[in-house]
Amino acid sequence: DIHMTQSPSTLSASVGDRVTITCRASQSINNWLAWYQQKPGKAPKLLIYKASSLESGVPSRFSGSGSGTEFTLTISSLQPDDFATYHCQHYKSYPWTFGQGTKVDIK
Amino acid sequence: QVQLVESGGGVVQPGKSLRLSCAASGFTLRNFPMHWVRQAPGKGLEWVAVISYDDNNKNYIDSVKGRFTVSRDHSKNTLYLQMDSLRPDDTAVYYCAREGAHNLQHWGQGTLVTVSS
Repeated sequence: DIHMTQSPSTLSASVGDRVTITCRASQSINNWLAWYQQKPGKAPKLLIYKASSLESGVPSRFSGSGSGTEFTLTISSLQPDDFATYHCQHYKSYPWTFGQGTKVDIK
Repeated sequence: QVQLVESGGGVVQPGKSLRLSCAASGFTLRNFPMHWVRQAPGKGLEWVAVISYDDNNKNYIDSVKGRFTVSRDHSKNTLYLQMDSLRPDDTAVYYCAREGAHNLQHWGQGTLVTVSS
């Protein structure tokens, strides 16, 4: 199975900050990577697919990059609505696996 | 619009069974692969199972193989997850999700399964 590791586990930031979250795969997944945002008590929401493609309706301050085994999610200017947990997920082969999540909270 | 509504969760004793349902509306279930994803309390997301659009292929995470079965009823436009021999570590919120061109684009609200004596 492909193991996904996210860092950091928790990130404290302020409104307006540039935020970067890293996701590493235990083997190459090409660009078969998605990023989700999840708020407490809610279902995950797709932000990025194929490592760098922005899902329709997602603000352009979110961006994704990377390929192979190392990926990043960047929020260019953190907004109040962005305080949430972010998950990466590979979909190269079954079983799909998720990272452990990164919680972005208020500094 | 696309809507997925899970039901069937609850409290169940270890070793017992439970069947989750995911009612789909706004689209035809048979046209899409469908997934189950779970999240234990305070933990991350864990992919559980998938059924292909034509029902011919099913895949499961190792920890549920032989115990969980994914299926769907096209006449009811509903996805199911039959969970047998439940264990305490199956306790989680279970989400159904629709796979589209952009991965898991649509999710239900989730249903909580608690396995406890």
